[in-house]
Amino acid sequence: EVQLVESGGGLVKPGGSLRLSCAASGFTFSTYSMNWVRQAPGKGLEWVSSISSSSSYIYYADSVKGRFTISRDNAKNSLYLQMNSLRAEDTAVYYCARDGGVAVAGSFDYWGQGTLVTVSS
Amino acid sequence: DIQMTQSPSSLSASVGDRVTITCRASQSISSYLNWFQQRPGKAPKLLIYSASSLQSGVPSRFSGSGSGTDFTLTISSLQPEDFATYYCQQSYSTPCSFGQGTKLEIK
Repeated sequence: EVQLVESGGGLVKPGGSLRLSCAASGFTFSTYSMNWVRQAPGKGLEWVSSISSSSSYIYYADSVKGRFTISRDNAKNSLYLQMNSLRAEDTAVYYCARDGGVAVAGSFDYWGQGTLVTVSS
Repeated sequence: DIQMTQSPSSLSASVGDRVTITCRASQSISSYLNWFQQRPGKAPKLLIYSASSLQSGVPSRFSGSGSGTDFTLTISSLQPEDFATYYCQQSYSTPCSFGQGTKLEIK
Protein backbone atom coordinates (compact mmCIF):
# COMPACT_ATOMS: atom_id res chain seq x y z
CA GLU A 1 0.00 0.00 0.00
CA VAL A 2 1.34 3.41 -0.98
CA GLN A 3 1.79 5.70 2.00
CA LEU A 4 3.06 9.25 2.29
CA VAL A 5 3.46 10.67 5.78
CA GLU A 6 4.39 14.31 6.28
CA SER A 7 5.94 15.73 9.43
CA GLY A 8 7.71 18.85 10.63
CA GLY A 9 4.91 21.37 10.63
CA GLY A 10 4.26 23.75 13.47
CA LEU A 11 4.13 27.36 14.62
CA VAL A 12 6.96 29.62 13.50
CA LYS A 13 7.51 33.37 13.63
CA PRO A 14 7.70 35.49 10.49
CA GLY A 15 11.20 35.31 9.07
CA GLY A 16 11.78 31.93 10.64
CA SER A 17 12.57 28.56 9.10
CA LEU A 18 11.04 25.11 9.10
CA ARG A 19 11.90 21.81 7.43
CA LEU A 20 9.13 19.50 6.32
CA SER A 21 9.65 15.81 5.68
CA CYS A 22 7.61 13.24 3.79
CA ALA A 23 8.26 9.55 4.41
CA ALA A 24 7.26 7.30 1.53
CA SER A 25 6.52 3.60 1.57
CA GLY A 26 4.77 0.94 -0.49
CA PHE A 27 6.36 1.87 -3.83
CA THR A 28 9.77 2.35 -5.45
CA PHE A 29 10.31 5.93 -4.32
CA SER A 30 13.42 6.45 -6.44
CA THR A 31 11.49 6.10 -9.70
CA TYR A 32 8.86 8.78 -9.13
CA SER A 33 8.86 12.56 -9.25
CA MET A 34 7.43 14.14 -6.12
CA ASN A 35 5.67 17.37 -5.28
CA TRP A 36 4.69 19.68 -2.46
CA VAL A 37 1.22 21.25 -2.66
CA ARG A 38 -0.20 23.61 -0.05
CA GLN A 39 -3.64 24.78 0.99
CA ALA A 40 -4.16 27.94 3.01
CA PRO A 41 -7.02 27.80 5.53
CA GLY A 42 -10.33 27.83 3.68
CA LYS A 43 -8.61 28.24 0.31
CA GLY A 44 -7.81 26.14 -2.73
CA LEU A 45 -4.83 24.04 -3.70
CA GLU A 46 -1.54 25.66 -4.70
CA TRP A 47 1.38 23.73 -6.19
CA VAL A 48 4.62 24.67 -4.43
CA SER A 49 7.50 22.63 -5.83
CA SER A 50 8.45 19.48 -7.68
CA ILE A 51 11.54 17.31 -7.94
CA SER A 52 12.32 14.59 -10.46
CA SER A 53 13.23 11.06 -9.45
CA SER A 54 16.99 11.66 -9.53
CA SER A 55 16.78 15.31 -8.42
CA SER A 56 17.90 16.44 -11.86
CA TYR A 57 14.89 18.67 -12.39
CA ILE A 58 13.55 20.98 -9.70
CA TYR A 59 10.83 23.58 -10.04
CA TYR A 60 9.26 26.14 -7.73
CA ALA A 61 6.21 28.35 -7.70
CA ASP A 62 7.12 32.02 -8.03
CA SER A 63 5.62 32.63 -4.59
CA VAL A 64 8.32 30.53 -2.89
CA LYS A 65 11.27 30.77 -5.26
CA GLY A 66 14.45 31.79 -3.46
CA ARG A 67 12.99 30.96 -0.04
CA PHE A 68 12.08 27.25 -0.25
CA THR A 69 14.30 24.33 -1.23
CA ILE A 70 13.00 20.91 -2.19
CA SER A 71 15.21 17.84 -1.88
CA ARG A 72 14.98 14.10 -1.58
CA ASP A 73 16.97 11.17 -0.23
CA ASN A 74 16.16 8.09 -2.26
CA ALA A 75 18.12 5.86 0.12
CA LYS A 76 15.80 6.96 2.93
CA ASN A 77 12.62 7.11 0.81
CA SER A 78 12.13 10.66 1.95
CA LEU A 79 11.16 14.02 0.49
CA TYR A 80 11.97 17.34 2.14
CA LEU A 81 11.00 20.99 1.95
CA GLN A 82 13.28 23.52 3.60
CA MET A 83 11.32 26.72 4.16
CA ASN A 84 13.20 29.92 5.01
CA SER A 85 12.15 33.54 5.41
CA LEU A 86 8.62 32.42 6.19
CA ARG A 87 5.75 34.85 5.80
CA ALA A 88 2.22 34.92 7.15
CA GLU A 89 0.95 34.02 3.67
CA ASP A 90 2.87 30.73 3.84
CA THR A 91 0.45 29.53 6.51
CA ALA A 92 -1.15 26.41 5.08
CA VAL A 93 -1.46 22.66 5.21
CA TYR A 94 1.43 21.25 3.19
CA TYR A 95 0.87 18.00 1.31
CA CYS A 96 3.42 15.82 -0.39
CA ALA A 97 2.06 14.18 -3.51
CA ARG A 98 3.39 11.57 -5.89
CA ASP A 99 3.52 12.31 -9.60
CA GLY A 100 2.12 9.11 -11.04
CA GLY A 101 4.04 9.59 -14.27
CA VAL A 102 2.88 8.63 -17.74
CA ALA A 103 0.50 6.02 -16.36
CA VAL A 104 -1.75 8.82 -15.09
CA ALA A 105 -0.60 11.61 -17.42
CA GLY A 106 1.47 13.30 -14.78
CA SER A 107 -1.33 13.71 -12.29
CA PHE A 108 -0.82 13.36 -8.54
CA ASP A 109 -2.11 9.90 -7.72
CA TYR A 110 -1.20 9.65 -4.03
CA TRP A 111 -1.19 12.32 -1.33
CA GLY A 112 -0.10 12.43 2.28
CA GLN A 113 -2.41 13.56 5.06
CA GLY A 114 -0.76 16.96 5.26
CA THR A 115 1.14 18.92 7.92
CA LEU A 116 0.06 22.34 9.13
CA VAL A 117 2.48 25.25 9.03
CA THR A 118 1.43 28.39 10.88
CA VAL A 119 3.48 31.56 10.51
CA SER A 120 2.54 34.04 13.20
CA SER A 121 4.15 36.26 15.80
CA ASP B 1 1.51 30.21 -16.75
CA ILE B 2 -1.79 28.46 -17.48
CA GLN B 3 -4.84 29.63 -15.53
CA MET B 4 -7.64 27.21 -14.70
CA THR B 5 -11.16 28.49 -14.10
CA GLN B 6 -13.93 26.32 -12.67
CA SER B 7 -17.64 26.96 -12.65
CA PRO B 8 -19.71 27.12 -10.66
CA SER B 9 -17.81 27.94 -7.45
CA SER B 10 -20.53 26.26 -5.45
CA LEU B 11 -23.46 24.04 -6.25
CA SER B 12 -26.41 22.71 -4.27
CA ALA B 13 -27.89 19.39 -5.29
CA SER B 14 -29.81 16.42 -3.93
CA VAL B 15 -28.95 12.75 -3.61
CA GLY B 16 -29.66 11.10 -6.94
CA ASP B 17 -29.14 14.25 -9.00
CA ARG B 18 -26.89 14.45 -12.03
CA VAL B 19 -24.37 17.28 -11.73
CA THR B 20 -21.78 18.77 -14.05
CA ILE B 21 -18.79 20.92 -13.17
CA THR B 22 -16.84 22.73 -15.84
CA CYS B 23 -13.19 23.72 -16.06
CA ARG B 24 -11.63 26.03 -18.61
CA ALA B 25 -7.92 26.46 -19.32
CA SER B 26 -6.43 29.78 -20.45
CA GLN B 27 -4.72 27.96 -23.34
CA SER B 28 -4.90 24.54 -24.90
CA ILE B 29 -3.75 21.73 -22.61
CA SER B 30 -4.68 18.85 -24.92
CA SER B 31 -6.09 16.21 -22.54
CA TYR B 32 -3.76 16.89 -19.63
CA LEU B 33 -6.63 17.61 -17.26
CA ASN B 34 -7.20 15.90 -13.94
CA TRP B 35 -10.00 16.03 -11.38
CA PHE B 36 -9.68 15.69 -7.63
CA GLN B 37 -12.20 15.31 -4.82
CA GLN B 38 -11.47 16.73 -1.38
CA ARG B 39 -13.60 16.02 1.65
CA PRO B 40 -13.32 18.34 4.67
CA GLY B 41 -10.12 17.79 6.63
CA LYS B 42 -8.84 15.22 4.15
CA ALA B 43 -6.25 15.14 1.41
CA PRO B 44 -7.32 15.47 -2.22
CA LYS B 45 -8.12 12.24 -4.04
CA LEU B 46 -7.53 11.67 -7.74
CA LEU B 47 -10.76 10.84 -9.58
CA ILE B 48 -10.07 11.38 -13.26
CA TYR B 49 -6.83 11.78 -15.21
CA SER B 50 -6.21 12.57 -18.87
CA ALA B 51 -9.60 14.29 -18.99
CA SER B 52 -11.63 11.08 -19.13
CA SER B 53 -9.74 8.16 -17.56
CA LEU B 54 -11.19 6.89 -14.31
CA GLN B 55 -8.62 6.31 -11.59
CA SER B 56 -8.61 2.81 -10.16
CA GLY B 57 -11.20 2.31 -7.45
CA VAL B 58 -13.28 5.36 -8.34
CA PRO B 59 -17.00 4.64 -8.86
CA SER B 60 -18.26 4.65 -12.43
CA ARG B 61 -20.82 7.39 -11.67
CA PHE B 62 -17.89 9.79 -12.10
CA SER B 63 -16.94 10.68 -15.66
CA GLY B 64 -14.91 13.33 -17.41
CA SER B 65 -14.80 14.75 -20.90
CA GLY B 66 -13.24 17.47 -22.99
CA SER B 67 -10.01 18.46 -24.66
CA GLY B 68 -8.17 21.61 -25.57
CA THR B 69 -9.49 24.27 -23.22
CA ASP B 70 -12.93 23.08 -22.06
CA PHE B 71 -13.57 20.16 -19.74
CA THR B 72 -16.38 18.73 -17.65
CA LEU B 73 -16.74 16.45 -14.66
CA THR B 74 -20.09 14.70 -14.38
CA ILE B 75 -21.50 12.75 -11.46
CA SER B 76 -24.39 10.72 -12.82
CA SER B 77 -26.29 10.06 -9.57
CA LEU B 78 -25.11 11.86 -6.47
CA GLN B 79 -24.43 9.79 -3.39
CA PRO B 80 -24.13 11.20 0.15
CA GLU B 81 -20.36 10.69 0.15
CA ASP B 82 -19.98 12.82 -3.00
CA PHE B 83 -20.67 16.08 -1.21
CA ALA B 84 -17.20 17.59 -1.21
CA THR B 85 -15.05 20.12 -3.05
CA TYR B 86 -13.81 19.30 -6.53
CA TYR B 87 -10.69 20.68 -8.20
CA CYS B 88 -9.43 20.47 -11.74
CA GLN B 89 -5.69 20.51 -12.44
CA GLN B 90 -3.65 20.85 -15.61
CA SER B 91 -0.53 18.71 -15.92
CA TYR B 92 0.33 19.95 -19.41
CA SER B 93 3.08 22.30 -18.35
CA THR B 94 5.07 23.39 -15.33
CA PRO B 95 3.95 25.03 -13.14
CA CYS B 96 0.94 22.78 -12.90
CA SER B 97 -2.13 24.70 -11.78
CA PHE B 98 -5.43 24.03 -10.08
CA GLY B 99 -8.84 25.53 -10.52
CA GLN B 100 -10.27 27.43 -7.59
CA GLY B 101 -12.56 24.59 -6.61
CA THR B 102 -16.28 23.80 -6.74
CA LYS B 103 -18.01 23.10 -3.44
CA LEU B 104 -20.84 20.62 -3.85
CA GLU B 105 -23.38 20.95 -1.06
CA ILE B 106 -26.53 19.12 -0.10
CA LYS B 107 -29.75 20.90 -1.05
